Amino acid sequence: EVQLVESGGRVVQPGGSLRLSCEASGFTSDKYTFYWVRQAPGKALEWVSLINWDSSHTYYADAVKGRFTISRDNRKNFLFLQMNSLRSEDSALYYCAKGGLYYYDAMDVWGQGTTVTVSS
Amino acid sequence: QSALTQPPSASGSPGQSVTISCTGTSSDVGNYNYVSWYQQHPGKAPKIIISEVSKRPSGVPDRFSGSKSGNTASLTVSGLQAEDEADYHCSSYAGGDNLWLFGGGTKLTVL
Repeated sequence: EVQLVESGGRVVQPGGSLRLSCEASGFTSDKYTFYWVRQAPGKALEWVSLINWDSSHTYYADAVKGRFTISRDNRKNFLFLQMNSLRSEDSALYYCAKGGLYYYDAMDVWGQGTTVTVSS
Repeated sequence: QSALTQPPSASGSPGQSVTISCTGTSSDVGNYNYVSWYQQHPGKAPKIIISEVSKRPSGVPDRFSGSKSGNTASLTVSGLQAEDEADYHCSSYAGGDNLWLFGGGTKLTVL
């Protein structure tokens, strides 16, 4: 079964850091683009970041550029999101999602998400 | 304010058809045929139901269909069923710096 499982979300103080993980199973993940997408309570989905298959290209939404870093470990089938200088507006459910071979391919598999709360 | 504009709500009776719009600009929806739609039930992760404007992934009922005209994409749900009650999100590839845009989501109620 194709599956993505996120972890690492917790309560963190403003200005703090957090590293989210996403484990892929049931498929060979090293061919595909991966995404992080977040959703604040009762709000819309928001694309956060993208990484291509070999980590040679990464992209970020303006809201997180310079503070978040996406990475992956293809040998272990993991995706990561390092989040620094966290703000209250970063509080959300963070999903990892699998794309296709290209940046314009849709997000066809989603995890259940991990919750990040930024609060003092 | 989301980058793509969707109506906040839509409704229909069982068996009826409902269409949800998703309006962007000539830089995103109007420029690429990479609009996707996601269904999200309460407390669940989004699930893809339409990719590349009108393609249905395997397992998605043919009651769901997508189309695009100019800067506006549309999702039509025909033969509404109770289990179709959910939030629906559109998304478009946009290139440039912000590669992907989402709409604000539409809550579909089956009356």
